[in-house]
Amino acid sequence: GAGVSQSPSNKVTEKGKDVELRCDPISGHTALYWYRQSLGQGLEFLIYFQGNSAPDKSGLPSDRFSAERTGGSVSTLTIQRTQQEDSAVYLCASRRGNYGYTFGSGTRLTVV
Amino acid sequence: DQQVKQNSPSLSVQEGRISILNCDYTNSMFDYFLWYKKYPAEGPTFLISISSIKDKNEDGRFTVFLNKSAKHLSLHIVPSQPGDSAVYFCAASGGDGNKLVFGAGTILRVKS
Repeated sequence: GAGVSQSPSNKVTEKGKDVELRCDPISGHTALYWYRQSLGQGLEFLIYFQGNSAPDKSGLPSDRFSAERTGGSVSTLTIQRTQQEDSAVYLCASRRGNYGYTFGSGTRLTVV
Repeated sequence: DQQVKQNSPSLSVQEGRISILNCDYTNSMFDYFLWYKKYPAEGPTFLISISSIKDKNEDGRFTVFLNKSAKHLSLHIVPSQPGDSAVYFCAASGGDGNKLVFGAGTILRVKS
């Protein structure tokens, strides 16, 4: 597609439930990133996929968070047993070559 | 430990005047710096960047200055326009462009 597509755009979930957030990167972009922005905070790195290499998971805040990228394209970020502190905007970005990040519009997650 | 700091949460400027947004970093391994602009309900969009081998980069109304000895960079917008009102994020990277580290952002309001 023309841009990075994320779904859903908004998600309200009850505390303790699992959620899945989806990212469709730009076709041909080999690198894919997940960031999140909590209220009043900057963008916090979560996880990074590059081609067939093992993902860099160093930013995942707990083992309740996981992500996969199937076929080098679509990625899913899964949060298990959601907590209220997980409420944030989750942003996906893809990149080809160096530095040219393109972000999606994000998924606003609210845990009630 | 915030490696990229934007100490001004907000800035208000009159239309036509200069907007100066500041950013400080602590990691001396950073060698590439970027500014992103974010409107509500949209993902960040790339604005301008600078490599550590330069001290200035200009693109139309936008100029980024880098002071490596002070570990400080700034974004100048002149003349400021109401459409520039947005959140501006400073970001930095070391080496290969992976894992951009973002500041907390500065809200710019340009008054007409």
